[in-house]
Order: sequence, then C-alpha cells, then structure tokens
Amino acid sequence: EVQLVESGGGFVQPGGSLRLSCAASGFTFSSYSMNWVRQAPGKGLEWVSYISDSSSTIYYADSVKGRFTISRDNAKNSLYLQMNSLRDGDTAVYYCARELPYSYGYEFYYWGQGTLVTVSS
Amino acid sequence: QSALTQPASVSGSPGQSITISCTGTSSDVGSYNLVSWYQQHPGKAPKLMIYEDSKRPSGVSNRFSGSKSGNTASLTISGLQTEDESDYYCCSYAGTNTFVFGTGTRVTVL
Repeated sequence: EVQLVESGGGFVQPGGSLRLSCAASGFTFSSYSMNWVRQAPGKGLEWVSYISDSSSTIYYADSVKGRFTISRDNAKNSLYLQMNSLRDGDTAVYYCARELPYSYGYEFYYWGQGTLVTVSS
Repeated sequence: QSALTQPASVSGSPGQSITISCTGTSSDVGSYNLVSWYQQHPGKAPKLMIYEDSKRPSGVSNRFSGSKSGNTASLTISGLQTEDESDYYCCSYAGTNTFVFGTGTRVTVL
C-alpha cells in the first residue's frame, strides 16, 4: 500500500525557516517524480514544487521561487521542502503528492495527510 | 501562473446532473490534454476523480465524467448523491513541469 507521511510542520515567525519531510513507502520511490502542494486555511489548492525521480529536474511556483528548495533522498525514500524567508502568506497545510502508476504522470493521485505550517508573529 | 477560474458554488437535487466549469488559457488548459479534477471533503486530502481530461482512476464512480473544449474543461456529476457534496478543484499542466489549480467549487446537494 502506498503511503506518504509528511512531518516537520509547526509555528514559525516571519522570516524564519522550516524543513518539511515526506516519508514514502509501498512503492519504488526512486522511480517517481514528486510534488508539494499547499492549501491555506479556508482557501484553494496551490501547486508549490516538482522534483523528478533523479532530482535532475526541479521547478517551483513563482510564489516560492528563491525561498523554497525541494530535494529528495532516494536511499531514504524521503522528499523534503526547505522553506526559508517565510511569510504570513505561506501559512498552509503542505501535502506531498505522487502521480498515478499508469499515466503520463501529470496528476496527483497519492496524497499524504498534510502538515500544517503557521507563519505568524 | 494565474489560477484557473471555477464557479464558487454549484448546487443540485439528488439524482440530477451538474456541471462544473474550469476556464484557463491557451497556455495551460488549451495546450495540453492534462486536466485533472479533485474532490476534497473538509479536513481531508484531495481525491483524484478525473485525469488527462476525461479518464477515471480505478474505483471512481462512472457518475463522474470529464470533458474539454478549447480553454475550458468541465466536470459532470450525474445522478447526484448526498455524498457528492464537497469541494472540487480542477488542475492543469502548464508546461515545464508546472501546474495550476482552479479556484475551487463548492457542490451542494439540495
């Protein structure tokens, strides 16, 4: 069974940093690209970042570019999101997500339970 | 990376059909056959309902169907049931491994 479990969320002041983790199990982690998607309280979904299976290709939403860094450790079956220079607008539940096993790979089928990041002074 | 436009709310009676629209641009929805739709109940992670414009993942009811014309994608729920009451989001691939979500639609079953 595919499982994605996020951790690392919490309360941080504006300008601070936080590192999120996503532990993957139940599939060959190194064979799939991964994404981070976030949702501010009471708001819609927002795609945050993409990383290819080998980490060779990485993309970010404009709203986080230059502040967030996505990475992965295939040996540890783990995905990360280093978040620096945090702003109030980064307050959200952060989900890691993976595509279907039999598609072109441009959708989010498996989701974690999410981890809440609260940025406030 | 502007959000795709969805109606804020759509409602229908049990057994009826409803359609949720999702309007993007020629750079996202209109360029790729890669629109997906998600159902999200309060406090839960989203659930994939439709991918690649009109395909259903295994286990998703055939009451859910997707289509697209030009820059507008649509999700139709037929035979509306009380458990369909939820938030729905569209999402489109926007090139270079980036994605854009819709603004979200609250579906109410009257």
